[in-house]
Amino acid sequence: QVQLVQSGSELKKPGASVKVSCKASGYTFTNYAMNWVRQAPGQGLEWMGWINTNTGNPTYAQGFTGRFVFSLDTSVSTTYLQISSLKAEDTAVYYCARHITVAGRNIGGDYWGQGTPVTVSS
Amino acid sequence: DIQMTQSPSSLSASVGDRVTITCRASQTISTYLNWYQQKPGKAPKLLIYSATSLQSGVPSRFSGSGSGTDFTLIISSLQPEDFATYYCQQTYSILTFGGGTKVEIK
Repeated sequence: QVQLVQSGSELKKPGASVKVSCKASGYTFTNYAMNWVRQAPGQGLEWMGWINTNTGNPTYAQGFTGRFVFSLDTSVSTTYLQISSLKAEDTAVYYCARHITVAGRNIGGDYWGQGTPVTVSS
Repeated sequence: DIQMTQSPSSLSASVGDRVTITCRASQTISTYLNWYQQKPGKAPKLLIYSATSLQSGVPSRFSGSGSGTDFTLIISSLQPEDFATYYCQQTYSILTFGGGTKVEIK
């Protein structure tokens, strides 16, 4: 069965970096892109971007360029989200979600990780 | 970027009620529209994709309609497990979510 398992919660100080992992199983990893989605406390969902797991090419949404980096290690079917120069406003739950397409048409995230809470506080 | 506007932002309803949630895109998106359900502390769940297609395993009381800029999610008979927050998402150009609609118990 398809599973996305994310790394555990993180507590970081402002200015530090964090790397969140998302390990996929139950399907061919390189056949599906991976989305990253942020949800600040009590707020809605924000699409951060995605990474093509076949080519490693990332696409970042507006507002998620510069300090945010998507990467992957196909040998362990894992994608990563790294955030540098952390700010208090980066405090959120970060989700990975497998991206499906049907006949070349973008569909969306059909399987999601459990979420990784990241807290930035001094 | 394409902006997605949901209404209402919250609603109160009773078990058995018919519930309608709307989503409007800032420009035409054909039928590139998804609906997700999210319960507190849980990851979102895909309910409807391509505006009208029911994701596998989702109960048939959920349905979606619309094309272009205006879309609707209908829950035909609200069940206790349906109290949650619902989000629309366009996948026509990059991806963006609507602000969410919280469905609460009346």
